[in-house]
Amino acid sequence: AQSVTQPDIHITVSEGASLELRCNYSYGATPYLFWYVQSPGQGLQLLLKYFSGDTLVQGIKGFEAEFKRSQSSFNLRKPSVHWSDAAEYFCAVEKKSSGDKLTFGTGTRLAVRP
Amino acid sequence: DGGITQSPKYLFRKEGQNVTLSCEQNLNHDAMYWYRQDPGQGLRLIYYSQIVNDFQKGDIAEGYSVSREKKESFPLTVTSAQKNPTAFYLCASKGPLNNSPLHFGNGTRLTVT
Repeated sequence: AQSVTQPDIHITVSEGASLELRCNYSYGATPYLFWYVQSPGQGLQLLLKYFSGDTLVQGIKGFEAEFKRSQSSFNLRKPSVHWSDAAEYFCAVEKKSSGDKLTFGTGTRLAVRP
Repeated sequence: DGGITQSPKYLFRKEGQNVTLSCEQNLNHDAMYWYRQDPGQGLRLIYYSQIVNDFQKGDIAEGYSVSREKKESFPLTVTSAQKNPTAFYLCASKGPLNNSPLHFGNGTRLTVT
């Protein structure tokens, strides 16, 4: 069965430090890949997406993600974290023939130290 | 501005009562979705609809029902058969392309006591 794994439940970083959130998926072929962010009590906002082509994709708020086929990974990165980045981050995948159904990871909650 | 509106933001019900959560979108999207979010479990798909008057069960449809009489609206009813209904419910819609992202509402937190 297809699955998405975010191995880190909670991460705490200092403001200004770099960030990497991990995401691994298991599918037979390369799916569509997404990262979403959720502030407390809110819906999810799209950060970035990968469909094909350049494996390094840029998103909003200074985030980027790199698709690595050999590792079945799509890790999210930010060079310098801001206090406003504290939120929960979800990786999601959509099998290209799935008929529009996304599968979400369990999320990583990011805390930012002043 | 286009978007998805979920109402109410907070909902309280007694056990044994059915309750309907509203979801309206003005994005002209055909596809709409309902997800349930519980701490540590991410988002789980309840029901989805790709076109008016048609919908399919997601991964956790038991105890829920939906309707799709209008393109703009996709209400979710949490029935008394749902064993653990207290959760945060998110509605989403999706544009026409295969790789279009989901657009989410701000959610409804349902508490059943």
